[in-house]
Amino acid sequence: DQQVKQNSPSLSVQEGRISILNCDYTNSMFDYFLWYKKYPAEGPTFLISISSIKDKNEDGRFTVFLNKSAKHLSLHIVPSQPGDSAVYFCAASAFGRTGGFKTIFGAGTRLFVKA
Amino acid sequence: EAGVTQFPSHSVIEKGQTVTLRCDPISGHDNLYWYRRVMGKEIKFLLHFVKESKQDESGMPNNRFLAERTGGTYSTLKVQPAELEDSGVYFCASSQERQLNTEAFFGQGTRLTVV
Repeated sequence: DQQVKQNSPSLSVQEGRISILNCDYTNSMFDYFLWYKKYPAEGPTFLISISSIKDKNEDGRFTVFLNKSAKHLSLHIVPSQPGDSAVYFCAASAFGRTGGFKTIFGAGTRLFVKA
Repeated sequence: EAGVTQFPSHSVIEKGQTVTLRCDPISGHDNLYWYRRVMGKEIKFLLHFVKESKQDESGMPNNRFLAERTGGTYSTLKVQPAELEDSGVYFCASSQERQLNTEAFFGQGTRLTVV
């Protein structure tokens, strides 16, 4: 059962326009949400995060929105740049039964920003 | 400061053989995680070490997989005997704090192909 879902495998956007990447989750126990960015042949790198007690977090061109009632979050990139072309992973964290916490990742969305 | 390093970057082995993957976390990071991504799907959690102790190994697929972290420094993940479905990219990540909002730093991954 996939707890974090990214239903769009890919997204193509024109340079300068807005990119919106979506993510849905099923577990209401998640307390923290993160977005990671991955270039080919590299590991994912942290991009931005949001606590479950907030509905928006902004960092430069990147903004993450959280809608807890809908169990949905989105990443907005404005304006999009060709260097933003990468795979974006949505992730959610919660404390597990063993006392530590576990981070669950989605399948990723490949973003293409066309020049 | 060196990041998370993984060795080898690629490994092609025959079904039934044994492979050992290595991960060197960022120095001083007590938390070490193993993940696996298969064929463009989600990055799936395998297990979590806190220093040399296994905090959570609920994601390990079966007893053909053995992870160790002797001395709480580097970690190894051994697959014995390897099966075709074990193919994928194995990521290692480390983090310093045990809090939900702590980003994890990923290695570049080991691409394992079982033929």
